[in-house]
Amino acid sequence: RKEVEQDPGPFNVPEGATVAFNCTYSNSASQSFFWYRQDCRKEPKLLMSVYSSGNEDGRFTAQLNRASQYISLLIRDSKLSDSATYLCVVNSMNYGQNFVFGPGTRLSVLP
Amino acid sequence: DGGITQSPKYLFRKEGQNVTLSCEQNLNHDAMYWYRQDPGQGLRLIYYSQIVNDFQKGDIAEGYSVSREKKESFPLTVTSAQKNPTAFYLCASRMDYNEQFFGPGTRLTVL
Repeated sequence: RKEVEQDPGPFNVPEGATVAFNCTYSNSASQSFFWYRQDCRKEPKLLMSVYSSGNEDGRFTAQLNRASQYISLLIRDSKLSDSATYLCVVNSMNYGQNFVFGPGTRLSVLP
Repeated sequence: DGGITQSPKYLFRKEGQNVTLSCEQNLNHDAMYWYRQDPGQGLRLIYYSQIVNDFQKGDIAEGYSVSREKKESFPLTVTSAQKNPTAFYLCASRMDYNEQFFGPGTRLTVL
């Protein structure tokens, strides 16, 4: 089993839609969780950290379920500019607490 | 402005050549990382360094070498032993257990 797995995608949604991405991780000792966004042929950029109580940043909501080892990202009122690949990131007990990146879920928001 | 720079943006290598990719950061971060990304794939860790004069292998270190003589700099050499080096190379840095910041990347192509 891979350490971090994500919905395979791609997700093609119309503008204004609500879309949710799921991510599971295998290491129950993981402590840090993030969502990154990567545009085509660009570097990943932090979208938001994920906190135990869940957190919201504008149209984006992140949830963490430690019991199920599951992270989610909800995007409301999708914009064309939200089109990108979304990477789930978890710290790993291997390699001195370094991050493990999921394979990413590609989102295309259509006009 | 603080940030991470990588150079060159594009690099072409003939088979059998060694090439060195530059990564510099002025964020005063202790930890630095090198990742490789292949088309449609996630990030894979090549090497990382958590302190000057120390570095560790990641998942795919074979055919690569690094040095960390200065806190600001973490160059990656792609040697002729790396059989399939064509990829997008990303450098990142981090302070403590916070999020990673990425440089803009170097696209390496073997001719």
